[in-house]
Amino acid sequence: NAGVTQTPKFQVLKTGQSMTLQCAQDMNHNSMYWYRQDPGMGLRLIYYSASEGTTDKGEVPNGYNVSRLNKREFSLRLESAAPSQTSVYFCASRGGAGLSYNEQFFGPGTRLTVL
Amino acid sequence: QKEVEQNSGPLSVPEGAIASLNCTYSDRGSQSFFWYRQYSGKSPELIMSIYSNGDKEDGRFTAQLNKASQYVSLLIRDSQPSDSATYLCAGNTGNQFYFGTGTSLTVIP
Repeated sequence: NAGVTQTPKFQVLKTGQSMTLQCAQDMNHNSMYWYRQDPGMGLRLIYYSASEGTTDKGEVPNGYNVSRLNKREFSLRLESAAPSQTSVYFCASRGGAGLSYNEQFFGPGTRLTVL
Repeated sequence: QKEVEQNSGPLSVPEGAIASLNCTYSDRGSQSFFWYRQYSGKSPELIMSIYSNGDKEDGRFTAQLNKASQYVSLLIRDSQPSDSATYLCAGNTGNQFYFGTGTSLTVIP
């Protein structure tokens, strides 16, 4: 049981390049999330998917797109990377049974640098 | 704007002492609250969740929720050097979650 996995762990891009961050969970959770974490800013929600087939914007969606490929996988795409997107990106899933339904579990993160 | 606020610290306590971490939130509609521990360079790890007013204990950790005061706290008893980390407070309203910026805790041996 791997929980939430993310690839890649590290990435360096040049301004204008594109890339896709991959996330998968094996906990049969309905909801999945993408956050970015910057020093002094805390975790900020980029996009989320409450269930398979749906996606919604969070606090900081500009410059990003997402795809909920199936119940397990939720990808984040940067179409034209900018230095302001240098950050650590975390994927999370949520949807356990009973009172655990609202508990989120995080993947190991992707450290992205845009030059 | 839904917000969760924490004192960024740093908070230092001697080994064996009680560490007290506090958090306030702005949205009265928030339903659940969570404490995450994050070691440097690692991802957040859920350590406590609390849904109703009062105290919830799990081992050395006690979470406290006061919805009237919009206040959440985490007590760590018998603090250990391995508890040194940043602690994130979070709340959720529906499908969205809101995180504080974290409190840095150092436990001094």
